[in-house]
Amino acid sequence: QKEVEQNSGPLSVPEGAIASLNCTYSDRGSQSFFWYRQYSGKSPELIMSIYSNGDKEDGRFTAQLNKASQYVSLLIRDSQPSDSATYLCAVDRDSNYQLIWGAGTKLIIKP
Amino acid sequence: DAEITQSPRHKITETGRQVTLACHQTWNHNNMFWYRQDLGHGLRLIHYSYGVQDTNKGEVSDGYSVSRSNTEDLPLTLESAASSQTSVYFCASSDPRDTYNEQFFGPGTRLTVL
Repeated sequence: QKEVEQNSGPLSVPEGAIASLNCTYSDRGSQSFFWYRQYSGKSPELIMSIYSNGDKEDGRFTAQLNKASQYVSLLIRDSQPSDSATYLCAVDRDSNYQLIWGAGTKLIIKP
Repeated sequence: DAEITQSPRHKITETGRQVTLACHQTWNHNNMFWYRQDLGHGLRLIHYSYGVQDTNKGEVSDGYSVSRSNTEDLPLTLESAASSQTSVYFCASSDPRDTYNEQFFGPGTRLTVL
């Protein structure tokens, strides 16, 4: 079992709709959870961090964390073509500074 | 503005040659990381450092080495390049004083080994 799992996609969403990206993790000691966006040919860019159970909103982005279910998600409201990218989920490794990475979900927003 | 840079951005080399990829950050972060990214594998940790003179092996360290002589730089050396090391390499850094352990990435180096 992979430590951080994401559906590889591609996930195709119409412009203006809500895109929902999901991630599960196996390390119950993890405390910090991240979503990175990576455009083709570019480096990962941090877009959301979440540390407590519940929802965290930042503009059109909402991160949701459920530690009991070991599940973190990212919602993108009013999806735009510029949101088309690969989204990487990362989870901190208990007791050190490393991150465990999912393989990413490719999101395509159709105009 | 603080930043993290990598050079070269693109490199083509031949099997058996030694190659060094540079990473320089002006964030004054103690933690630095080298990853490789290949289709189907996501980001895999090669080496990491938590400060000057500290280096550690990651999950895919065979054939790679790093050295940390100052806070700003963590060069990655491929001792004898192999075709299996064709990949995109990313350097990242984080601040150990940051409770949330966020990592920030350089622009990457695309390495081709022929």
